[in-house]
Amino acid sequence: GAGVSQSPRYKVAKRGQDVALRCDPISGHVSLFWYQQALGQGPEFLTYFQNEAQLDKSGLPSDRFFAERPEGSVSTLKIQRTQQEDSAVYLCASSVKDRGWTDTQYFGPGTRLTVL
Amino acid sequence: SQQGEEDPQALSIQEGENATMNCSYKTSINNLQWYRQNSGRGLVHLILIRSNEREKHSGRLRVTLDTSKKSSSLLITASRAADTASYFCATVLNNAGNMLTFGGGTRLMVKP
Repeated sequence: GAGVSQSPRYKVAKRGQDVALRCDPISGHVSLFWYQQALGQGPEFLTYFQNEAQLDKSGLPSDRFFAERPEGSVSTLKIQRTQQEDSAVYLCASSVKDRGWTDTQYFGPGTRLTVL
Repeated sequence: SQQGEEDPQALSIQEGENATMNCSYKTSINNLQWYRQNSGRGLVHLILIRSNEREKHSGRLRVTLDTSKKSSSLLITASRAADTASYFCATVLNNAGNMLTFGGGTRLMVKP
């Protein structure tokens, strides 16, 4: 079946622009995660959804970052007033159960954001 | 900040050789997982080892976990050029929710 998909794959934004990154998880997966991966680094957790509920947003770096999953499937990560330090690959992952830590997380290909 | 550190940061070997990567972490964990990331692509889950397990095998992969030393190792035997990728360990911390906490990764190059 289809895996996790993300769009766009690449996004170039001018500093100060707003961007929206989309994640389509595997159908039926309860848990959805967003991670940020800077160049040459490991991914860092941003936020976690269980169905439509955002249960953990402790990793969001500032109030310019906002994520939603209104119907418990597709999720959007929005970054307002982008800054150069926001340049990174944004990864989305989903897992089938409501306890992601006991369950494999399936990652999408990521969206590479470059802020000029 | 990241929980773990991988060692070495980069590794270059010949096809057929074994590759060993190490991961250290700082706090108590529920489980530890290893992921592979090919250039420009997403992360692929390789293997999960629980905190009460000491060793696990999957094909050419062997993972060990030493909770007393807060360390894990990933061994890839009989490496192939297709194994060229970055490898990350990720931990699920106790009492820290569901997210994965990744190390900085080991970049493995397998030369044909």
